[in-house]
Amino acid sequence: EPEVTQTPSHQVTQMGQEVILRCVPISNHLYFYWYRQILGQKVEFLVSFYNNEISEKSEIFDDQFSVERPDGSNFTLKIRSTKLEDSAMYFCASSRNVGPQETQYFGPGTRLLVL
Amino acid sequence: AQRVTQPEKLLSVFKGAPVELKCNYSYSGSPELFWYVQYSRQRLQLLLRHISRESIKGFTADLNKGETSFHLKKPFAQEEDSAMYYCAPGVVMDSNYQLIWGAGTKLIIKP
Repeated sequence: EPEVTQTPSHQVTQMGQEVILRCVPISNHLYFYWYRQILGQKVEFLVSFYNNEISEKSEIFDDQFSVERPDGSNFTLKIRSTKLEDSAMYFCASSRNVGPQETQYFGPGTRLLVL
Repeated sequence: AQRVTQPEKLLSVFKGAPVELKCNYSYSGSPELFWYVQYSRQRLQLLLRHISRESIKGFTADLNKGETSFHLKKPFAQEEDSAMYYCAPGVVMDSNYQLIWGAGTKLIIKP
């Protein structure tokens, strides 16, 4: 069964550095998402992406964040200048379509630690 | 504001006992409701959705519009049910559909 994959599984970075988190969604899916979960807190929506553009973003997704689908398979989340509070688990998800009939399939997550 | 509440951070029951994980939502429209589960060291995965009226792994969830609740239930808990459970209404906001996540309930099934 196809799965969403994410790399790296863990990333440690210095405050102020740029990080790129990578995701490979399921191949016939059209909608892509990034979520984050700060340790001990709830899963938070960051952004959704469809047809090569952002379709929805949350307040968390400020100018420091960007997403890109650089080729036909990867979907990346870039944080330009990391802050301590960016430390979290970042989940990528994809779905074939959008709406209540559709399941979002999640990747295993990337644990980001900003020092 | 759209909000979903899972009042119990941790729920611990004995194997074979009934389980109920509570979820209440506040949303002006008619959300579609989902339960996601995350087993230890595994990814988030869909457990069940209201629209399908299904029972997965013995779990069911009934939407109570009057109480705005979507509690997850299982009559006889098994040890393999130990996991984090997230209630996630799907709502339309600004013409976009997205999931709103509860804080999650950690379910521990004691042998």
